[in-house]
Amino acid sequence: GAVVSQHPSWVICKSGTSVKIECRSLDFQATTMFWYRQFPKQSLMLMATSNEGSKATYEQGVEKDKFLINHASLTLSTLTVTSAHPEDSSFYICSASPQGPEQYFGPGTRLTVT
Amino acid sequence: AQTVTQSQPEMSVQEAETVTLSCTYDTSESDYYLFWYKQPPSRQMILVIRQEAYKQQNATENRFSVNFQKAAKSFSLKISDSQLGDAAMYFCAYENTPLVFGKGTRLSVIA
Repeated sequence: GAVVSQHPSWVICKSGTSVKIECRSLDFQATTMFWYRQFPKQSLMLMATSNEGSKATYEQGVEKDKFLINHASLTLSTLTVTSAHPEDSSFYICSASPQGPEQYFGPGTRLTVT
Repeated sequence: AQTVTQSQPEMSVQEAETVTLSCTYDTSESDYYLFWYKQPPSRQMILVIRQEAYKQQNATENRFSVNFQKAAKSFSLKISDSQLGDAAMYFCAYENTPLVFGKGTRLSVIA
């Protein structure tokens, strides 16, 4: 149980285009999901907390207009990187919690912007 | 704000030996959770073990155990009988919704 999926696992896009990453909880409902960014050989950096049916809460320094988060249902949150640039290339990870304090993580999405 | 510190960027261990990864944290809360996550080369984050602060007994999961010292705010992970598959990044985390992660320790296992 407690499986989280992400799609796509790897995406390459051209500079200036937008890309959407989906995060799904497959066997549980999640009112809250989290989006992280991870640079090579570094820890996870929280970008935002995604709340079902309401606006996401962004961490300081994260551009909300660039990283659009939509939590449309109890099993789906999406992260859209708008007008992507090479510096947005990174590994993006989502997580969700069925109940209690544990978070379960998706397998991540590698974004490459050319 | 809560902080989590992992002072060992890299560690290595011989196969079948035991290794301990260190973690300290700072909090003013009395009830909380602590976790160790493993991130292998696939980059999938895997929950290794969790500890509830109000429980004095150290958590154990097969070859993985913790030494939780609440007063010292220390939460180390011991891996016994190390296996090649244990090679990964290990992150200590404090639960404060969201999780607060340490910077990680890269563990190498030598055959």
